[in-house]
Amino acid sequence: QKEVEQDPGPLSVPEGAIVSLNCTYSNSAFQYFMWYRQYSRKGPELLMYTYSSGNKEDGRFTAQVDKSSKYISLFIRDSQPSDSATYLCAISKTSYDKVIFGPGTSLSVIP
Amino acid sequence: DAGVTQSPTHLIKTRGQHVTLRCSPISGHKSVSWYQQVLGQGPQFIFQYYEKEERGRGNFPDRFSARQFPNYSSELNVNALLLGDSALYLCASSREARSITEAFFGQGTRLTVV
Repeated sequence: QKEVEQDPGPLSVPEGAIVSLNCTYSNSAFQYFMWYRQYSRKGPELLMYTYSSGNKEDGRFTAQVDKSSKYISLFIRDSQPSDSATYLCAISKTSYDKVIFGPGTSLSVIP
Repeated sequence: DAGVTQSPTHLIKTRGQHVTLRCSPISGHKSVSWYQQVLGQGPQFIFQYYEKEERGRGNFPDRFSARQFPNYSSELNVNALLLGDSALYLCASSREARSITEAFFGQGTRLTVV
């Protein structure tokens, strides 16, 4: 079983839609949960991170962690064409430990 | 401020050759991590260096090695290249050994092995 799994998509939505991106992980020892955005031919960019369970909101983006079900989500409200990218979830046991990435979900927001 | 810079941006090598990839971290950042991203997959951790010492190593063969210099720049070396080494190699820098909240990635080096 892979440590973190993510539906690779591709996912295509109309502009203004609410987007839901999800990952599952296998080990309850993971405490840090990150979402990265990666544009084509670019390196990943950290969008937000959460520690342990709960929600975190930053503008149009909301990250949720449910440790009981080992499920993490990223919601994008009022999606824009500029949100078109690959979204990578990532997990880590501590803030100093290696980061384990999911395979990424490709998102296209159609004008 | 300049971001994380990597060189070269692209290169093509032949099986069996050796390659050196370079990374300059953001000014003031002392930690550098290397990742391999195969097409269609997420980045996979190779090494982390902090203050010129190796702080972590991923599940990669000994053909992969790295080092960090006094100015905190870093090199990733890969010997005896295989076709499967074709990937985007990413460097990430952070201020301290903490790699989560302050990690910034470069645009990567696209390595093609033929």
